[in-house]
Amino acid sequence: GAVVSQHPSRVICKSGTSVKIECRSLDFQATTMFWYRQFPKQSLMLMATSNEGSKATYEQGVEKDKFLINHASLTLSTLTVTSAHPEDSSFYICSANTGGETQYFGPGTRLLVL
Amino acid sequence: ILNVEQSPQSLHVQEGDSTNFTCSFPSSNFYALHWYRWETAKSPEALFVMTLNGDEKKKGRISATLNTKEGYSYLYIKGSQPEDSATYLCVLSDLSGNTPLVFGKGTRLSVIA
Repeated sequence: GAVVSQHPSRVICKSGTSVKIECRSLDFQATTMFWYRQFPKQSLMLMATSNEGSKATYEQGVEKDKFLINHASLTLSTLTVTSAHPEDSSFYICSANTGGETQYFGPGTRLLVL
Repeated sequence: ILNVEQSPQSLHVQEGDSTNFTCSFPSSNFYALHWYRWETAKSPEALFVMTLNGDEKKKGRISATLNTKEGYSYLYIKGSQPEDSATYLCVLSDLSGNTPLVFGKGTRLSVIA
């Protein structure tokens, strides 16, 4: 099946710094990728839809200036958490599909902001 | 607001036992339901996608059913094995079918050898 990777798998940073998370489709091209986050004991929640060559679409309540998304190629989308704060500590995961209904997920990135 | 409920939140079964868990969702505006298996430190793995009322899907010892009129899906595991230990996610797509919009919290299954 299709493979999606994420990097890093885990990151710890100081409050106020920015953190970039990469999501790559390894064996297929994805014009659209999706970013989610999961707080403890909560469901995965869609944050934004990343569109290759155009602006991302953000879900209600997600600040586009805080969570910068860049989808510069058909195999890479990046999520940058700018000026991270402890409340941004969460599990971030991306997904993409090959044109069908099944989403292929990355393994996720656990972010801890001190 | 679309809400997907999964039950139980967690369960422990003995190796060889069969088990099942439930996903409940609003029956209106249904498009597709997905089941994923999510092992710790790995990517969620797609098991099934179902769209039609009465759909039944099977993959090895795992099967799933869908009732869109009453808004539920069951996932069954026959003869559970330790390698079945994972969190099983139920996910609903919206009308476009392209974005898995709403996730359940998952059912965490532990199979004890």
